Amino acid sequence: DIQMTQSPASLSASLEEIVTITCQASQDIGNWLAWYQQKPGKSPQLLIYDATSLADGVPSRFSGSRSGTQYSLKISRLQVEDIGSYYCQQAHSNPFTFGSGTKLEIK
Amino acid sequence: EVQLVESGGGLVQPGRSLKLSCLASGFTFSNYGMNWIRQAPGKGLEWVASISSSSSYIYYADTVKGRFTISRDNAKNTLYLQMTSLRSEDTALYYCARAVYYYSDYWGQGVMVTVSS
Repeated sequence: DIQMTQSPASLSASLEEIVTITCQASQDIGNWLAWYQQKPGKSPQLLIYDATSLADGVPSRFSGSRSGTQYSLKISRLQVEDIGSYYCQQAHSNPFTFGSGTKLEIK
Repeated sequence: EVQLVESGGGLVQPGRSLKLSCLASGFTFSNYGMNWIRQAPGKGLEWVASISSSSSYIYYADTVKGRFTISRDNAKNTLYLQMTSLRSEDTALYYCARAVYYYSDYWGQGVMVTVSS
C-alpha cells in the first residue's frame, strides 16, 4: 500500500502569510494527488487535483506543486476563511490513502 | 446543483449490520463513479470504498474488506454501503462523494454511525 506522510500536523500562521503543507508519497504516484480543505464542522472540499490543477471555484491563492514524490500545497496569502484542516490523497492505486491531515490556525 | 444526501446512520451494537444510502441529484448519476469516505470523531479522513459508474470496478479498504459492500442503483440515483459485523472502530461520520477518477469532487454532509453496546 502507498503511504502518504503529511506535514506539519498543525500550523499557526499570520494573515497574508505564505503557508506550505507537504505530502510525501512512499512510492511513485505520478500526478495522482489531490488536496482537500475541511472547514470546522463542514464536509471536505476538493481544492487541487492531478497535483497542480485548481478545482472549480477555488481561489487562485491556492496552488499545488510536485517534486518527485513530494507534493506541496501553497496558500500564497493566508485569509481568515482558510482556517481548517487540509488533507492530501493519492489516487494512483487502491487503497486510495489520505494523508493524516494538517490543522491550520491563524496566529 | 450537485447534491448528495446520506441516510441510514444511527446507533448499532457491535456485530450487527447497517445499510447507508446516498441519494444523488443535480448530475447524471450513471456517468460517475462514487466513493465512501469516513471520519472517526476528531480524526482524519479514511477512504472506505469506491464503485465505478456501471459497478464493474469495486475497491475496498483493507479495514472493511469482507464486511462492507458498496453498491448502486442507477435507476434510483442511489449509492449504498451495506455494513456487517460492525466494530467499535467503525464509529465515524460516513461521507458519500462523487468520484472523478478516484478523487472526490462533491461530498455529502455525512451520516453518523455509532457502534456501541
